[in-house]
Amino acid sequence: DVKVTQSSRYLVKRTGEKVFLECVQDMDHENMFWYRQDPGLGLRLIYFSYDVKMKEKGDIPEGYSVSREKKERFSLILESASTNQTSMYLCASSTRTGRSDGGANVLTFGAGSRLTVL
Amino acid sequence: KQEVTQIPAALSVPEGENLVLNCSFTDSAIYNLQWFRQDPGKGLTSLLLIQSSQREQTSGRLNASLDKSSGRSTLYIAASQPGDSATYLCAVTKRSFGNEKLTFGTGTRLTIIP
Repeated sequence: DVKVTQSSRYLVKRTGEKVFLECVQDMDHENMFWYRQDPGLGLRLIYFSYDVKMKEKGDIPEGYSVSREKKERFSLILESASTNQTSMYLCASSTRTGRSDGGANVLTFGAGSRLTVL
Repeated sequence: KQEVTQIPAALSVPEGENLVLNCSFTDSAIYNLQWFRQDPGKGLTSLLLIQSSQREQTSGRLNASLDKSSGRSTLYIAASQPGDSATYLCAVTKRSFGNEKLTFGTGTRLTIIP
């Protein structure tokens, strides 16, 4: 069964702490994404990566950074956590658009990491 | 900027009824549209993906349609069951060279009443 695994389901951190959220996929997907989900705002894209060591800013990258040293792993980093970063964080992966085999880019999500910053 | 709207935000229907969830988007230049299901406190599960060249996709009791020109998609659920209770989100992809981004709607929270 293919999977996107997020290392922590629930985290509680203090303001100013450095926070790492880890995501691993076993589907050999090129694309990986980090979203946050907040009531009334839906899912908003923080960062995405379409290849190892490549990253692009999404809609709300401020206060976050990412790392993709290996194809299967995409990490989200909060350099100095703040209370407004309390949220549900969702990692996802997909195949690259326009594959030669015509494969569709279905997005596969992890179970989510609920972060509370006090 | 693409905007995706799902109305209503919440819907309750008795078990056994057929129902339709709506999704509208402002920019018709999309690559595909996906419907997802999200259970409380969980991640999203992909239900159906419709490529821009397709009109509909079916999976079991679910049927999704796409009308690009009018910027609309519907998710039809036949013979609803209590296990269908969840939040349903649609998302559109606008292809960018070498990468892709999805724009999500805020979802419709569906409750099936036994």
